[in-house]
Amino acid sequence: QKEVEQNSGPLSVPEGAIASLNCTYSDRGSQSFFWYRQYSGKSPELIMFIYSNGDKEDGRFTAQLNKASQYVSLLIRDSQPSDSATYLCAVTGTASKLTFGTGTRLQVTL
Amino acid sequence: SAVISQKPSRDICQRGTSLTIQCQVDSQVTMMFWYRQQPGQSLTLIATANQGSEATYESGFVIDKFPISRPNLTFSTLTVSNMSPEDSSIYLCSVESLAGSRSYNEQFFGPGTRLTVL
Repeated sequence: QKEVEQNSGPLSVPEGAIASLNCTYSDRGSQSFFWYRQYSGKSPELIMFIYSNGDKEDGRFTAQLNKASQYVSLLIRDSQPSDSATYLCAVTGTASKLTFGTGTRLQVTL
Repeated sequence: SAVISQKPSRDICQRGTSLTIQCQVDSQVTMMFWYRQQPGQSLTLIATANQGSEATYESGFVIDKFPISRPNLTFSTLTVSNMSPEDSSIYLCSVESLAGSRSYNEQFFGPGTRLTVL
């Protein structure tokens, strides 16, 4: 079983819609959860992080964490073509080491 | 957040040679890491660069192949030794937090070094 799992996609959503990206993790001791956006040919860019159960909102982005079910999700409201990228879920335990999922490719269509 | 630079940004190397990649941060940071991202894949942690001591390597990565230095809190190097085509990848350094600041383990990545081995 992979430590951090994501659907590779592509996930296609129309402009203006909500994009929902999901991630599950296997280590119950995981403490911090991150979403990175990676444009083709570029390095990952941190867009959201969450540590506590529940929702965390930042602009058009909402991260949701459910530790009992071991999943974390990212919602992107009012999706724009510029949101088209690969979204990487990453998880850390007690040692600051990031474990990445394989990423979900998002395509926002006009 | 800190500004992170890497040199070179890309290189094409011959089999059997070595390449040293530099990572420079504009402020002191507590933790520095080196990752590899192979074509079409996600990121894999190679090692944690420890200031003033030997790096901590992840399973599958060894010091002889990927020697790492970190002489101070703003700079680190990764050498890819005795390269083969399988080493063709993007190599990324990342940093966690400014020295003395509170951290929730957020990591920020440099722009990466695209390596092609012929």
